[in-house]
Amino acid sequence: AQKITQTQPGMFVQEKEAVTLDCTYDTSDPSYGLFWYKQPSSGEMIFLIYQGSYDQQNATEGRYSLNFQKARKSANLVISASQLGDSAMYFCAMREGRDSNYQLIWGAGTKLIIKP
Amino acid sequence: GAVVSQHPSRVICKSGTSVKIECRSLDFQATTMFWYRQFPKKSLMLMATSNEGSKATYEQGVEKDKFLINHASLTLSTLTVTSAHPEDSSFYICSAPDRASGNTIYFGEGSWLTVV
Repeated sequence: AQKITQTQPGMFVQEKEAVTLDCTYDTSDPSYGLFWYKQPSSGEMIFLIYQGSYDQQNATEGRYSLNFQKARKSANLVISASQLGDSAMYFCAMREGRDSNYQLIWGAGTKLIIKP
Repeated sequence: GAVVSQHPSRVICKSGTSVKIECRSLDFQATTMFWYRQFPKKSLMLMATSNEGSKATYEQGVEKDKFLINHASLTLSTLTVTSAHPEDSSFYICSAPDRASGNTIYFGEGSWLTVV
């Protein structure tokens, strides 16, 4: 079974609109962490945001926020006021278990294209 | 801040030759390094995990003798693609956790390998 599922292979969004990228996860471990990364065409992986399973509040980093719904096992990324530079691949990833486990399980990614 | 420097960013080599990719951690000790391969429009595929001073742990299906990983110091890990073939052409990227800073995982810039 897929541990990280990103159901949107591609998305087109109008500039300045908000966009939500879906991510659902599957784990039986009560301790886990969820990450979102942006990968532009250059290939570099840019860390966006992190949510720990025990965090009480949804994570936010500037225009990025994570809509963490633990019961539904979803960790959607919300980008507010999208910009042309947001066009990239976006990956959701999960780390299971204790904080000492840094191995990430990756989703298939969503290609986001921002239209001017 | 701490980064992982990966070189070369792009390399073209002839079939049958070997090519080495380096990942250096700057300003932190990378006791663990993850090596990934990424096919076009696909997610990251973990190839192996290396720990400083010990043998790398390879994922199922990854040829140890073809993808040699060395992690001789706390700041340097290398991946050598031996006897390269065109099918080895891919994007390779490393990542290392900064254990002193909690959840931070740094990525190298990635290396585009083309075997001709």
